[in-house]
Amino acid sequence: DTEVTQTPKHLVMGMTNKKSLKCEQHMGHRAMYWYKQKAKKPPELMFVYSYEKLSINESVPSRFSPECPNSSLLNLHLHALQPEDSALYLCASSQERQNYGYTFGSGTRLTVV
Amino acid sequence: DQQVKQNSPSLSVQEGRISILNCDYTNSMFDYFLWYKKYPAEGPTFLISISSIKDKNEDGRFTVFLNKSAKHLSLHIVPSQPGDSAVYFCAASADGGSNYKLTFGKGTLLTVNP
Repeated sequence: DTEVTQTPKHLVMGMTNKKSLKCEQHMGHRAMYWYKQKAKKPPELMFVYSYEKLSINESVPSRFSPECPNSSLLNLHLHALQPEDSALYLCASSQERQNYGYTFGSGTRLTVV
Repeated sequence: DQQVKQNSPSLSVQEGRISILNCDYTNSMFDYFLWYKKYPAEGPTFLISISSIKDKNEDGRFTVFLNKSAKHLSLHIVPSQPGDSAVYFCAASADGGSNYKLTFGKGTLLTVNP
């Protein structure tokens, strides 16, 4: 299995809703990432987990809450989002040293209304 | 301030010809560079990488060139095929990639015409 699986593929949520994005990989990668990508912009790093511990938080607002329940799973809990948070959310994983290159999932297209 | 720049939003080439995608960077701490390809509705796919200790890396039809003094790298695709049509992202990291963080350019949309 050489894939990173993200669910759901599309999500529409209201500003008062609570939702979660899920990401799963079975490649034995020990680093997992959340990236955010707006239209015509590059992917922007949000969080990095290394060996199931949060190692990088790129000053992301607290309305985004990551969770790594085990080495194969990564969640992103969403609460009280704003319309400007609408974007493609990409999960990725990599070997301990990402010289091998990330493996990205297909992303979750999030729309906040 | 963008640390990785892809100044050409789009590029169009004929099938069989060479595609050259360019990338410039400003952060002198970057020492590892990667190219990703992205099709619509899919996540980016790793294509090829190069360490700063090299000036060229080749993998099949894809070659990446690095000019450290100019802080410039390029991706050559020869021969170009219609299936190569995608957005190509240049990315860079520091510390040989051990800090996990990649900084991406805005991407270049490559269209290969049959």
